[in-house]
Amino acid sequence: DQQVKQNSPSLSVQEGRISILNCDYTNSMFDYFLWYKKYPAEGPTFLISISSIKDKNEDGRFTVFLNKSAKHLSLHIVPSQPGDSAVYFCAARETSYDKVIFGPGTSLSVIP
Amino acid sequence: EAGVTQFPSHSVIEKGQTVTLRCDPISGHDNLYWYRRVMGKEIKFLLHFVKESKQDESGMPNNRFLAERTGGTYSTLKVQPAELEDSGVYFCASSQVRQQGYTFGSGTRLTVV
Repeated sequence: DQQVKQNSPSLSVQEGRISILNCDYTNSMFDYFLWYKKYPAEGPTFLISISSIKDKNEDGRFTVFLNKSAKHLSLHIVPSQPGDSAVYFCAARETSYDKVIFGPGTSLSVIP
Repeated sequence: EAGVTQFPSHSVIEKGQTVTLRCDPISGHDNLYWYRRVMGKEIKFLLHFVKESKQDESGMPNNRFLAERTGGTYSTLKVQPAELEDSGVYFCASSQVRQQGYTFGSGTRLTVV
């Protein structure tokens, strides 16, 4: 039973355009959400997070939006760069538990 | 600051053999986690140490898997005996405080043949 879903296994975007990666979750107890980026042969790298008390968090070119009522979050990358090509994992956590639950990932390709 | 170190980076073993994976967390990080990614699927939680104590081992697949963290420093994950479905990439991560994003190691790719 997958609690964090990323329904798009892959996404291709032109350099300079916006990349939008989507994530849905089923557990209403999740109150902290994270995005990780992963290059081949490396471990995931923490990218950006958002608490459930917010609906938006921005860090440079990366913005995460949270819609609690829809149990949906998205990661926007603007402008997209070839170096952004990687697998992006959406993840979530309950305050009462320390473990982070990951989605299956979306492979982003930014085409020069 | 040294990152999270895992070794070996790759291991190929036969079904029925034993393999031990090691993780050295970032110095001073009390929290240590083991995760596994199988066949490009989601990264699944295995267990969580706080110092030398197992805080949560709800993700351990079965009793063929044994994790230890003696002295609260490095951790080992032993698979004995290994089965074909144990193949995957095993990630270790550490963190200093609960609300921080974890720092992951590069993983150990385990192939059971």
